Order: sequence, then C-alpha cells, then structure tokens
Amino acid sequence: AQKITQTQPGMFVQEKEAVTLDCTYDTSDPSYGLFWYKQPSSGEMIFLIYQGSYDQQNATEGRYSLNFQKARKSANLVISASQLGDSAMYFCAMRESTNDYKLSFGAGTTVTVRA
Amino acid sequence: NAGVTQTPKFQVLKTGQSMTLQCAQDMNHNSMYWYRQDPGMGLRLIYYSASEGTTDKGEVPNGYNVSRLNKREFSLRLESAAPSQTSVYFCASKLLAGESGTDTQYFGPGTRLTVL
Repeated sequence: AQKITQTQPGMFVQEKEAVTLDCTYDTSDPSYGLFWYKQPSSGEMIFLIYQGSYDQQNATEGRYSLNFQKARKSANLVISASQLGDSAMYFCAMRESTNDYKLSFGAGTTVTVRA
Repeated sequence: NAGVTQTPKFQVLKTGQSMTLQCAQDMNHNSMYWYRQDPGMGLRLIYYSASEGTTDKGEVPNGYNVSRLNKREFSLRLESAAPSQTSVYFCASKLLAGESGTDTQYFGPGTRLTVL
C-alpha cells in the first residue's frame, strides 16, 4: 500500500502568490515524522521542513509552513510569496519507528512559478 | 565540510557490466542509505545501513549489493547491470540510527546511470 500520496503531478503559480502542495499519508504507527524536500532541476535533494506526529503546532521555516491535520492524515506544504527559484519538484516523505526509521517518499509534485 | 559526496556523477554501462557507486559523508553520521529515483515514482530505498557494521534491504534490493566500508563510506554495487537499472541513484546519511525529531537525511548530488 502506498504510504505517501501526492495527487498533484504539476502545478503553476504566479510569482508572489502562495501555493499549497497536498500530501496524505498512511500509517498505524503512533510515532512518525513527516518531511518535505525540494529537488530543483540541478537534481540535489534539499530538506525544507519537518513535522513530528506529536507536535502540537504546525511547523514553519521561513516561507514554508506545514499544514498538519493529524486526523485526516494530511501534511500539506504551503509556500508563501512564491519566487522564481521555487520552481522545482517537491517530495513529501514519512519516517516511522515501526519501519526502522526509513523514509518513504511520495511521487512528487512539480511546481512552476510564473513571472 | 563537503557533506555527502558521490562518484561518479554520470555513468553509461552495457548490459551485463558491473560497477560500484561510491558514497562518502564527512558529518560523522551513523546511518547511510541508497535510493533510486525513477520518473513518476519518487525515491525508493534500495539498501540502508543503520549503523557501521550493519546493512539491510530496502524496497528494491534485487540486483544490488552494498558494503559499509567504515563509518564514512557506503558503496552500492551492480554485479550485472540491466536496462531496468537505468536511474538516478542517491546516497543519503543521517546522524542517528533511530528517531530524533528533526534529525533528517542529507542527500548527495546523485549519480545518473544509463544501462544500454
């Protein structure tokens, strides 16, 4: 069964606008972590933000925030004030203690920022 | 600090040839990972090493072997390359073997492998 689902293969967003990338996950582990990574066209994987399953508040890192809805098993990434440099592929990933702390990745969402 | 380094960056093989992908990290991390990335499939774990001296299979281990040479280095070997192994390969490392909040995986730049 797919552990991480990203339903948006590609999105376009206007510069300076906000964009939300969807991520739903499937786990029965009460302790888990959720991550978002960015992969620009150059290919490297860049860690953006982390949310722990027991964290009471939504994680934020600069222009990135994670909309964590535990009951819905949803961990959407919000990028505010989009910039041209935000054009990239974005991956949602999950780490479970019952899965030996390995990361399971979604298929990714491509974001293209238009000027 | 270089972080996670991988060699080579690009490689073309013929079916049946063998090769080893090298990975090294200078962050004193305990855990290391090998992934492959195929279009539309995200990253899939091939093998991992939770700590020096241990290795375990991931989701897609068939056709690969690994060696955790020491704490810094984790190599991936293709004994007899097949066209289905054409992919981008990423090595990653993490400080701790278990769970610790924001302890995340750091990735190398990747190796683009084509098997003809």
